[in-house]
Amino acid sequence: DAGVIQSPRHEVTEMGQEVTLRCKPISGHNSLFWYRQTMMRGLELLIYFNNNVPIDDSGMPEDRFSAKMPNASFSTLKIQPSEPRDSAVYFCASSFIATEFLTQHFGDGTRLSIL
Amino acid sequence: DQQVKQNSPSLSVQEGRISILNCDYTNSMFDYFLWYKKYPAEGPTFLISISSIKDKNEDGRFTVFLNKSAKHLSLHIVPSQPGDSAVYFCAASGRAGTALIFGKGTTLSVSS
Repeated sequence: DAGVIQSPRHEVTEMGQEVTLRCKPISGHNSLFWYRQTMMRGLELLIYFNNNVPIDDSGMPEDRFSAKMPNASFSTLKIQPSEPRDSAVYFCASSFIATEFLTQHFGDGTRLSIL
Repeated sequence: DQQVKQNSPSLSVQEGRISILNCDYTNSMFDYFLWYKKYPAEGPTFLISISSIKDKNEDGRFTVFLNKSAKHLSLHIVPSQPGDSAVYFCAASGRAGTALIFGKGTTLSVSS
């Protein structure tokens, strides 16, 4: 079975540029999560969707960050304009909401470097 | 303020011995606790979980213990193997459909 697919795996761009990260959740999952991992803050939730609807975006650091989920099989996380402090590994995860133990399945992440 | 804390950034253990990874939490509303394992350049993978109505859950070499009164949980790996070397994240959640709150992780190194 295909897991959560993220693209690109690596992204290097100059500050001020727009960055778009993509995620394809596992088929049949109805919750999708975006996380960011940094040395200082560890793995922190940015936003999550249930049934394509954003439920909690309190972790989105600034208005420069936006996320969409136009359908059950695709989500994007956009940073515009990007800044060096946005450099991190961004993970997408999905789960089936009825699962008792809330097991989330993670993609392999996008390593983002803003120069 | 961190709601889930893993106070030991790293742990070194010899192959065959027990590895004990610890996690503390502050929010008494958490109902579910999970452990994830992460290898370099990969996403975290689910390892084992426990509901707050239990105090122990076992899966092969992995056992998670929950002490609700102390707001503490631990992951025991017996016997430890070199392939267990990874970063281990503790996570907690309040109810189904809500997000997980992760600790910062503990890097386990198992030497042969």
